[in-house]
Amino acid sequence: EDQVTQSPEALRLQEGESSSLNCSYTVSGLRGLFWYRQDPGKGPEFLFTLYSAGEEKEKERLKATLTKKESFLHITAPKPEDSATYLCAVQAADTGNQFYFGTGTSLTVIP
Amino acid sequence: DSGVTQTPKHLITATGQRVTLRCSPRSGDLSVYWYQQSLDQGLQFLIQYYNGEERAKGNILERFSAQQFPDLHSELNLSSLELGDSALYFCASSSSPVNTGELFFGEGSRLTVL
Repeated sequence: EDQVTQSPEALRLQEGESSSLNCSYTVSGLRGLFWYRQDPGKGPEFLFTLYSAGEEKEKERLKATLTKKESFLHITAPKPEDSATYLCAVQAADTGNQFYFGTGTSLTVIP
Repeated sequence: DSGVTQTPKHLITATGQRVTLRCSPRSGDLSVYWYQQSLDQGLQFLIQYYNGEERAKGNILERFSAQQFPDLHSELNLSSLELGDSALYFCASSSSPVNTGELFFGEGSRLTVL
């Protein structure tokens, strides 16, 4: 059973068209949920850490939120440079405190 | 630039062969993590070292091994290679012995097994 599921797999947005990416998880004893951005041919780049339900973090046009079952990455008025794959990872007591990554959402922002 | 250096960037080899991937962590980081990224499975945690000692093990095959040297660079050895080992191998580093969430990833080594 997948511990982390991201949706949609791919998303195409017009520049300025806001949307949300979803990361749902089934682990027990969540220690943290993390968002990373990965550009083609590059390693993932850390964006946010969320620790508890209700927590929110913001960075430029991105805002990450967390509930007891899922996290959302909201993208407001995206620009073409926001095009990337966004990865979600969870760390929990039943994952040996290691990260388990989802397969990501590939975002394309069209000018 | 994350400060993590991985070599080689690309590697093509044949089934049954052995390869070594190298990682230099960010200056001052004592933890090194190895991840495998394949198209259908996403990033899979393989192994973590902290200051030369193995700290945590994930889904690492017995054909794979790793070590961290006194100068803190790490090597991932892959032997008896199979077609399914073709993937991107990432190294990441952090300053903490515990995975706190903020990992700094290198650009990866792309392994192709023919």
